[in-house]
Amino acid sequence: AQKVTQAQTEISVVEKEDVTLDCVYETRDTTYYLFWYKQPPSGELVFLIRRNSFDEQNEISGRYSWNFQKSTSSFNFTITASQVVDSAVYFCALSEINYGGSQGNLIFGKGTKLSVKP
Amino acid sequence: ETGVTQSPTHLIKTRGQQVTLRCSSQSGHNTVSWYQQALGQGPQFIFQYYREEENGRGNFPPRFSGLQFPNYSSELNVNALELDDSALYLCASSYGQGSLYGELFFGEGSRLTVL
Repeated sequence: AQKVTQAQTEISVVEKEDVTLDCVYETRDTTYYLFWYKQPPSGELVFLIRRNSFDEQNEISGRYSWNFQKSTSSFNFTITASQVVDSAVYFCALSEINYGGSQGNLIFGKGTKLSVKP
Repeated sequence: ETGVTQSPTHLIKTRGQQVTLRCSSQSGHNTVSWYQQALGQGPQFIFQYYREEENGRGNFPPRFSGLQFPNYSSELNVNALELDDSALYLCASSYGQGSLYGELFFGEGSRLTVL
């Protein structure tokens, strides 16, 4: 069965600190996608990144970076120099790769609530 | 470009009633997925519609049903409401069938409270 675990329920940091959000996943599929979404208080999920299981290169986008390690089934997310606007709930998610079946079946973790204080 | 819009934003129902939630997909998108997010939990996949047909379903009972219209907007219907149906219902649109085709764009959700 597929499963995503985000062990950190809540994290609180002071502005400008670096913070890493952990994500561990389980799947029997050899090919899959991993995602991170941000959910601000307004409720909509904002897409941050999608990474397929073939590509283990780490990725950096501005203050955001992602560390994908297939050997430990982890896909961690780091925010450098955090800002108050980064306060939100962050979700890690997993989906199978398929060529015609359901695209929508994302398996989400329970989320990590990040609070960045000024 | 118009994003995903959902209505109503909030509603209160009593146990046993029926509810219909609506979603307008983003321009150019032909696939709509629905998710249920209970308080403090991650979203759970309910089902997906592609070109007006159900294209995958999660572990939800038949009293959760849906429709997709020719303009690709969608409805989620829940019959015989139970207290545990209280949640944020999220709609997401995307283009194409299969997970190779782009990301999901989510609406802000409809918050349902069942008393």
